[in-house]
Amino acid sequence: DIQMTQSPSSLSASVGDRITITCRASQDIGNYLVWYQQKSGKAPKLLISNASSLQNGVPSRFRGSGSGTEFSLSISSLQPEDFATYYCQQADRFPYTFGQGTKLEN
Amino acid sequence: EVHLVESGGALVQPGGSLRLSCRVSGFDFSSRWMSWVRQAPGKGLEWVGNIKRDGSDKYYSGSVKGRFTISRDNAKNSLYLQMDSLIVDDTAVYYCAKEFGDPGFDAWGQGTLVTVSS
Repeated sequence: DIQMTQSPSSLSASVGDRITITCRASQDIGNYLVWYQQKSGKAPKLLISNASSLQNGVPSRFRGSGSGTEFSLSISSLQPEDFATYYCQQADRFPYTFGQGTKLEN
Repeated sequence: EVHLVESGGALVQPGGSLRLSCRVSGFDFSSRWMSWVRQAPGKGLEWVGNIKRDGSDKYYSGSVKGRFTISRDNAKNSLYLQMDSLIVDDTAVYYCAKEFGDPGFDAWGQGTLVTVSS
């Protein structure tokens, strides 16, 4: 199975900050990398597909980049609604696997 | 509007069985692969498995292979997860999720809680 490793596991930041979350795959997954946001008690929300394609309705302050084994999610100017847990997921091959999550705290 | 609604979660004893359902609306169910994803209390997301549009192909995670079976009824716009030989580590909220043309799940249900405990 492909292992997905996110860093950091938790991150403390403030409104207006720029943050970056990293996701590393244990083998080359091309650009088959997805990012989700999950708020407490809610289902995950798809933010970015194909490593860098922003989904409709997702604010442009979110940006995904990378390919192969190294990926990142950046938020350029944190808003109050951005404090949540973020997950990466590889969709290159079965079984799909997720990173362990990054909890973004205020 | 796309809707996915899971049902069937319950408290079950180790070794027992349970069948979850996911009823969908708002999109052409028969044209989409569908997945089950679970989340243990306080833990991260774990992909359980998925099923092809016509049900002819299915894939599972190693932790559930041989114990869980995914099926679908396109006439009823419904997805199912048959869970047998349940163990304590299967305790989780189970989500059904819609796959779309690009990688990823673009729609999720609200989840249903399965608790395996004696």
